[in-house]
Amino acid sequence: EAQVTQNPRYLITVTGKKLTVTCSQNMNHEYMSWYRQDPGLGLRQIYYSMNVEVTDKGDVPEGYKVSRKEKRNFPLILESPSPNQTSLYFCASTQDSLNSPLHFGNGTRLTVT
Amino acid sequence: DQQVKQNSPSLSVQEGRISILNCDYTNSMFDYFLWYKKYPAEGPTFLISISSIKDKNEDGRFTVFLNKSAKHLSLHIVPSQPGDSAVYFCAASAWGGSGTYKYIFGTGTRLKVLA
Repeated sequence: EAQVTQNPRYLITVTGKKLTVTCSQNMNHEYMSWYRQDPGLGLRQIYYSMNVEVTDKGDVPEGYKVSRKEKRNFPLILESPSPNQTSLYFCASTQDSLNSPLHFGNGTRLTVT
Repeated sequence: DQQVKQNSPSLSVQEGRISILNCDYTNSMFDYFLWYKKYPAEGPTFLISISSIKDKNEDGRFTVFLNKSAKHLSLHIVPSQPGDSAVYFCAASAWGGSGTYKYIFGTGTRLKVLA
């Protein structure tokens, strides 16, 4: 089954404790991206990657890092999480085309206390 | 600066009637527009899209209309069913710099279809 898999689904952590949210897709997509969803703000792009070893900042990249060492994986790293990063995070992927819809994972709900 | 706006946070419609969800945008360079549906505890799923060179696209009960002069698009669901109750996101895509492209999402409209 074609899918984007995120782990974990839920995560509660404390300020400053480094964490990684994993994302993997099995569709051989070149484009992958991370979004955060906050009330009243919709989905905002954090980082995206056009291909292996090619990553770029989205609209809200501060406090986040990503890597794209393999085509299928695109982990999101929070080196020193803060409470304002409490949010619902989605990973997505698509073919390398402007007209290809994004395929989303089921989300990771992160709480930073 | 919200380039894609959904001004109605919520909408309630009776089962069998038409649901109309609206979306406005500000960037005339957007090439492609998409609608996504999101159920609780799931990721958004693609519903329907339209190219900027068209003014209408239909898929079963779902029709998207694009009015480029008004920078407005709408999603019509006819007839509405209780299973359509979800949050709907409007999105637009455009080429960015250095051969990249990006997707901009609206804030979402929560549709409730009443049985």
